Amino acid sequence: AQKITQTQPGMFVQEKEAVTLDCTYDTSDPSYGLFWYKQPSSGEMIFLIYQGSYDQQNATEGRYSLNFQKARKSANLVISASQLGDSAMYFCAMREGDKKTSYDKVIFGPGTSLSVIP
Amino acid sequence: GAVVSQHPSWVICKSGTSVKIECRSLDFQATTMFWYRQFPKQSLMLMATSNEGSKATYEQGVEKDKFLINHASLTLSTLTVTSAHPEDSSFYICSARDRKIFGQMNTEAFFGQGTRLTVV
Repeated sequence: AQKITQTQPGMFVQEKEAVTLDCTYDTSDPSYGLFWYKQPSSGEMIFLIYQGSYDQQNATEGRYSLNFQKARKSANLVISASQLGDSAMYFCAMREGDKKTSYDKVIFGPGTSLSVIP
Repeated sequence: GAVVSQHPSWVICKSGTSVKIECRSLDFQATTMFWYRQFPKQSLMLMATSNEGSKATYEQGVEKDKFLINHASLTLSTLTVTSAHPEDSSFYICSARDRKIFGQMNTEAFFGQGTRLTVV
């Protein structure tokens, strides 16, 4: 079963506008972490923002903020004042413990391709 | 920030040969390293979790005899694609977590630059 869902395969946003990228997740573990990564065409993975399952406040990092709704199991990424350099793939990821091995692991959603239009 | 170096960046090999990909944490010690495979326009699929000094844990459907993982030290993990076939052509990327802050949920995994493997 899909653990992380990103329902928007592709998104367009006008430069300087804000955009929200959706992410929903599924876990029965009370302790988990949620990440957003950006992957430009070069392939590198760039860490953007983190939200812990016990965090009371929504995470913010510069132009990035995370709209965390725990009961709905959603962790949407909001990018404010979009720039042309924001055009990339965006992946939502979750870190949770693996009960079989006792080690934790990070799994990724299918990604959203964001295009910023001048 | 922490640096993870992956080598080579790209490699072309003949069908039937083996290819080794290295993942090094340059300025920290990594208890755990993760290996992912990414096909074009798809997400990162976790292949295995590599723990220093112990056997790697492979995800379901990943052949451990084909994708050999060695994590001999706290700064180096290697992935060897044995008897490579054209269908193994993909982007392979590793990530590592800093041993000093291991266990904290907010510890991001630092990624290597990735290796683009083409098997001809």
